Amino acid sequence: GESVGLHLPTLSVQEGDNSIINCAYSNSASDYFIWYKQESGKGPQFIIDIRSNMDKRQGQRVTVLLNKTVKHLSLQIAATQPGDSAVYFCAERDTGRRALTFGSGTRLQVQP
Amino acid sequence: EAGVAQSPRYKIIEKRQSVAFWCNPISGHATLYWYQQILGQGPKLLIQFQNNGVVDDSQLPKDRFSAERLKGVDSTLKIQPAKLEDSAVYLCASSSRQDSSTDTQYFGPGTRLTVL
Repeated sequence: GESVGLHLPTLSVQEGDNSIINCAYSNSASDYFIWYKQESGKGPQFIIDIRSNMDKRQGQRVTVLLNKTVKHLSLQIAATQPGDSAVYFCAERDTGRRALTFGSGTRLQVQP
Repeated sequence: EAGVAQSPRYKIIEKRQSVAFWCNPISGHATLYWYQQILGQGPKLLIQFQNNGVVDDSQLPKDRFSAERLKGVDSTLKIQPAKLEDSAVYLCASSSRQDSSTDTQYFGPGTRLTVL
């Protein structure tokens, strides 16, 4: 399959450890944020989202934290598995628009 | 529920040639997006449709790119003539809610274009 990104920042973790992927955004008018996972040769897959009136949201094994003061978003993956290996993108949406602005991505490598 | 379908999956052309991509969104989804993803980068919006009308095409290079969504369902994206820098993955996405601020966009597998 195609490689999504050859020169992305890479986070390498051991299987079973927790992973934290960070994202900075610049648009203070953004009111909605999403994390996507993209495996090689595939389109982005929705993981979890959060609105700007929230600080934290939890899903199955994933948690998203939003700090609007410093315009920072993070994705925490608990008990990371080899199947979590992929490129992770944060995306934001400006109030009044519906299209997303994506960050540059982080490659997560899970070592067995 | 079937996902977003795109074809072809891969296309190789020479510069100055024309190419077209096709997208079939999830059934019932009113909003359709085309994104361009250059290797190593996040997807970048090219055009957004609401039913068969264009909502946002501010980042579409209109001198060479065109898109249409006749009948508000399938969509085609065309490049004519192609340049080397158009080599990228072209992603189609769709979403269902017309007025919600939190509707989820579902992506297709993309078409990988190589311009030689």
